[in-house]
Parts: sequence; structure tokens; C-alpha cells
Amino acid sequence: RKEVEQDPGPFNVPEGATVAFNCTYSNSASQSFFWYRQDCRKEPKLLMSVYSSGNEDGRFTAQLNRASQYISLLIRDSKLSDSATYLCVVSSIYDKIIFGKGTRLHILP
Amino acid sequence: EPEVTQTPSHQVTQMGQEVILRCVPISNHLYFYWYRQILGQKVEFLVSFYNNEISEKSEIFDDQFSVERPDGSNFTLKIRSTKLEDSAMYFCASSGAPESTDTQYFGPGTRLTVL
Repeated sequence: RKEVEQDPGPFNVPEGATVAFNCTYSNSASQSFFWYRQDCRKEPKLLMSVYSSGNEDGRFTAQLNRASQYISLLIRDSKLSDSATYLCVVSSIYDKIIFGKGTRLHILP
Repeated sequence: EPEVTQTPSHQVTQMGQEVILRCVPISNHLYFYWYRQILGQKVEFLVSFYNNEISEKSEIFDDQFSVERPDGSNFTLKIRSTKLEDSAMYFCASSGAPESTDTQYFGPGTRLTVL
């Protein structure tokens, strides 16, 4: 099983729709979870951290399910500017930070 | 807003040559990292650096690679004898706390092309 696994997509979603991505991780000792976004040929930028209780930031909601070892990202009312690759990132105190390969999202006008 | 900067933005080199990639982390950060991303692949951790020494490194970070913080602001990645497979985007990142507890801020990257 890959350390951090994501559906590569692409997800082609009409503007205004809701879209959700999942990410699974293999290391049960993982402690920190993040979603980053990466635009084409640019650096990753933090979108949000993921907390055990789940958290929301505007149109974005992140959830963590430790029992099943997955995290999710929900984007509501999607906008053209949301088109990017979304990277799931996992780390533990004793391990290096691991990036997923990313899920590509295309928002269609 | 403070940001991580990297130079050069693009480096072209011949196989077997040495390259040095430079990074200026955010000024009050204490933890520094190098990652690479081969075109079309995922971002891969190379090395983390704290208190003037390597705190962790991946299996990619072999004897051809070294890192240094030569002064109070720069953080460099040296590849001693480049191979074709070293062609990738190299990202520097910094954080104020260890990777597991704090956001890492990434620089814009250096695209390394080995011919």
C-alpha cells in the first residue's frame, strides 16, 4: 500500500458545483495532515491543516477519519480559480513529511 | 508577507557537473527543507535541517547531495556530480517549528535540467 494515496483525477466539475476528494494514508502513527494546492509548474501552497474534529475555512471543509486512515477535502460553490492540483500531505513526529501525488481539479465555466 | 526565495529559477547543466541551488528561508524560521518534484510526479522529501545539521534525510539524498547554511540567511543544496535523473524542480521550504507541527512555506523552486 502506498504511503499516501490519492485519486489522480482529473475531476472536471462545473463552476458552482461541490466536489470532494479523499486521501488514504498507510502509517497509523501519522499525526499531522494538510491539504496543499499546486498550480501548474508552481510551488505547493498550504490550503489548510486538517484537525481531528474537522475544520472549515470558507468554502473548504477538511475531515479526518483516523480509524479508516483517510482525510477528505470538500469544496463548495467551486470557482474557476479553484482549478489546481490538490496535494494530500501527511507526517508524524518520527517520520518525514509525505506528499500524495495529487488530485487534479478542473472547474469548467 | 515574508516569503521563501530561490535562485536561480532555472539551471541547465551538463551531466557530471556540480550545481548549487540557493534558498533564502523566511527570516525567523528555524527549520529548513529541500524537496524535489520530477515532472509529472509527486513532491518528494529530500532533507530537513535544523540547528546547523541534518535532522532527517530520505533515501534519495545520497552522497551526491549535501546541504549547508553558510551564513545567517542562505540555505544551499549541492549536487556534486549531476545525473540525467536529477532533472527536476527543486523546492526549498522553511517553517518555524518541526514539520509535524507547523506549516511549511515553499519557495518558487529551481528547475534543474541536466543534459
